[in-house]
Amino acid sequence: AQSVAQPEDQVNVAEGNPLTVKCTYSVSGNPYLFWYVQYPNRGLQFLLKYITGDNLVKGSYGFEAEFNKSQTSFHLKKPSALVSDSALYFCAVILSSSNTGKLIFGQGTTLQVKP
Amino acid sequence: NAGVTQTPKFRILKIGQSMTLQCTQDMNHNYMYWYRQDPGMGLKLIYYSVGAGITDKGEVPNGYNVSRSTTEDFPLRLELAAPSQTSVYFCASSYGGHHSNQPQHFGDGTRLSIL
Repeated sequence: AQSVAQPEDQVNVAEGNPLTVKCTYSVSGNPYLFWYVQYPNRGLQFLLKYITGDNLVKGSYGFEAEFNKSQTSFHLKKPSALVSDSALYFCAVILSSSNTGKLIFGQGTTLQVKP
Repeated sequence: NAGVTQTPKFRILKIGQSMTLQCTQDMNHNYMYWYRQDPGMGLKLIYYSVGAGITDKGEVPNGYNVSRSTTEDFPLRLELAAPSQTSVYFCASSYGGHHSNQPQHFGDGTRLSIL
């Protein structure tokens, strides 16, 4: 079965420290990879995506993600965390064979940044 | 652009009642989706549509119906509300077609409680 895993339910980091939110996937083919963020009582907001090309992609709010094909991972990173980054983060993929744009989501990781 | 608009934002239903969750987008997107989000469970796809007049089932379609008579609107109907349908419902849209790897845009959700 096609799946996306976010192994950590919660990540805690101090403000100013680097953060990493992990994502691995198990799908056929070469998927398109996405990160979304969800703030309380809001819908998901697109952060960044990897389609092809450079393995390091940059997105909104200073976030970046590194695609690693051999490890089938797409970890989200930020060099210096802000308290305002505290939110729920979702990793998701679209299968390259898809003609429906359907996303396969991970379970989500809550990021808590403490002052 | 308003993006994806969902109404109502909150609703309480009694068991057995019916209701329609409204979703409209003004981005001329071809693809539209309905998800439900339960705590700790990520997002599950209920139904999706790749264009006006075309709908298809997602992972958890039982107890729901949809229609897509226009590009802009994608209402979700609950016919006989059950406590298991208490959830937060999100509508999303994306360009689709040759751009099926494009990110989905989400509304802010409808919080539905069934008592």
